[in-house]
Amino acid sequence: DAGVIQSPRHEVTEMGQEVTLRCKPISGHNSLFWYRQTMMRGLELLIYFNNNVPIDDSGMPEDRFSAKMPNASFSTLKIQPSEPRDSAVYFCASQGEVGGTEAFFGQGTRLTVV
Amino acid sequence: SQKIEQNSEALNIQEGKTATLTCNYTNYSPAYLQWYRQDPGRGPVFLLLIRENEKEKRKERLKVTFDTTLKQSLFHITASQPADSATYLCALPTSGTYKYIFGTGTRLKVLA
Repeated sequence: DAGVIQSPRHEVTEMGQEVTLRCKPISGHNSLFWYRQTMMRGLELLIYFNNNVPIDDSGMPEDRFSAKMPNASFSTLKIQPSEPRDSAVYFCASQGEVGGTEAFFGQGTRLTVV
Repeated sequence: SQKIEQNSEALNIQEGKTATLTCNYTNYSPAYLQWYRQDPGRGPVFLLLIRENEKEKRKERLKVTFDTTLKQSLFHITASQPADSATYLCALPTSGTYKYIFGTGTRLKVLA
């Protein structure tokens, strides 16, 4: 397996534009997480899916953020409209079993909003 | 609120020495704790998991301890090598949930 695949690796966009980040989890994993990493706040959990269902989105900072998982092999994180303070590295991670096993992270998407 | 603390300052050590990183947590009692390694431009990679009933766990040159009384985990790399240079993060599940809280990480630099 190629691991968790995220695209794009880098995204530069203008304030106000819509941004869509994509993630393909490891086949067979039933849990998917979206994290955001900044120097100031470290890694923050944004949303968690289990069996394609959003279980907890309490970490999503605002209504501008939304996430979907239409099937077991694909998830998106959308920011609309984007703002400069959204600039960060966004990671997707998948896990085979919640509660004690390791999380596999993708390479991340570095988002810059100018 | 639940909180994790790792040394924010970078740790520089000489090759061959043992590196020791600290993870302290407050206001909860996790059932287990994980350590991850993160290289620049890459996602975190899982290294070790230690459960609350385990005092120590080893994997090759890595050793993790978990003191639930002190609310602290220590992460040791013995015979350190320049290739061990990276940021190391500890992660704990929040009480009764699947959510992991990550520390901000400690950057380790092993000098040749």
